[in-house]
Parts: sequence; C-alpha cells; structure tokens
Amino acid sequence: AAGVIQSPRHLIKEKRETATLKCYPIPRHDTVYWYQQGPGQDPQFLISFYEKMQSDKGSIPDRFSAQQFSDYHSELNMSSLELGDSALYFCASSLAGIAQETQYFGPGTRLLVL
Amino acid sequence: KNEVEQSPQNLTAQEGEFITINCSYSVGISALHWLQQHPGGGIVSLFMLSSGKKKHGRLIATINIQEKHSSLHITASHPRDSAVYICAVQPGGGIQGAQKLVFGQGTRLTINP
Repeated sequence: AAGVIQSPRHLIKEKRETATLKCYPIPRHDTVYWYQQGPGQDPQFLISFYEKMQSDKGSIPDRFSAQQFSDYHSELNMSSLELGDSALYFCASSLAGIAQETQYFGPGTRLLVL
Repeated sequence: KNEVEQSPQNLTAQEGEFITINCSYSVGISALHWLQQHPGGGIVSLFMLSSGKKKHGRLIATINIQEKHSSLHITASHPRDSAVYICAVQPGGGIQGAQKLVFGQGTRLTINP
C-alpha cells in the first residue's frame, strides 16, 4: 500500500539559505501535519492543513511557511536557516472524519544546517 | 511539567522478557497513539486507542481514560524490538481534521540477545 512520501530524505544547507521540504500524503488523505524533531528531542508539532486550509499552528517560526496544494501534497518552506533548524522533519497524513483517525508518518527529511 | 510523561526513559532487558512501558497524560484527549521509532528516524504507528485494549502480535496496548494512563506491553521480547517507543496524545476538541499530536519524550528500549 502507498505510504506517505517525503522528499528529499536528506538535505544539507548553509546558514541563511532557504529549503523546501515536500510531503505527499497517502492517496485520498486530506489532512497533513508537519512535525520537527531536534536531536535527542521529542517531535514538536509545527503546522497542519485540512482540505488545503491551515487548520492548526504550533511552534513554527515566522521564517517558515507552508501550504497544501490542490493534490493535497504539502510543502514546508524554510528561509534564513539557522543552525538550530537542524532536525528531522516529519510529515504525517490522515483522513478526517467523525471518528478519530490514525496518522501515518512519512520517513522524514533530515535537515542539516552548517 | 510535560503534558505527556513516559516511564521509564530507558529500559534494557534480555530477550524473552515481558516489557511494560507506561504513559501518563494530563490533558483531555480524543485518542492516544503508541509509536515506534528505529535508529535512523522513521516513525511507525503501532496503536491508536481511545478506550480499552488492543493487541497486535506480541504487542498489547491498554488505556484507562479515567486515570489518564496507558501502557504498552511487549511479550517474548526480541532484539529486533529495540527502538524508541513514543506515546502521543490527540488533545480533545479542536477542529475536525486537525488532530495534532502531543508527544512524550520516548522510552529507549534495548533488548539484548
């Protein structure tokens, strides 16, 4: 079965550069979540989208922006990168409904800022 | 104090032992997830619970909503079970389709042969 796809899997950038991370949800899933996991840290919620609209916002820096496109894939844009942005960035997708829905996680994009 | 607390933080056991990892949370939730993260990063969803108990192979997860507590059990543990196990909750309420997860700090499990 198709899973959540993230690209790229690894990314190395320098300080003050920009990066774009992509997430392709499971087909027919309409909700996408972005999480950031720093070295040795718990994952932290950044932002989510439901039906192409931002549905919730967590601890996402102003330097970051994200959107969900008509095909439900999502992109996380990161500008003016800082050393502290080095982390594993997870995307998860789910199908919204009345009952609770399982979130399916992508493999993550490991970002290293030098 | 974190909204989601796990114990123990680290656990080392011998192959075949029965493993229990505990999770306590302080907020109202709509569901609780147990996740597995292997070295290298990928996260796999093991269970999603809102009540009672679920079993999948050698894994059993239970939740007590009144006590705000969940446990993950592994029977007949094996070295391939070595991973970080994370408890995560979906806070209750919120917009339908926006059920972000709040994560515990994880339990690092090592099963020695």
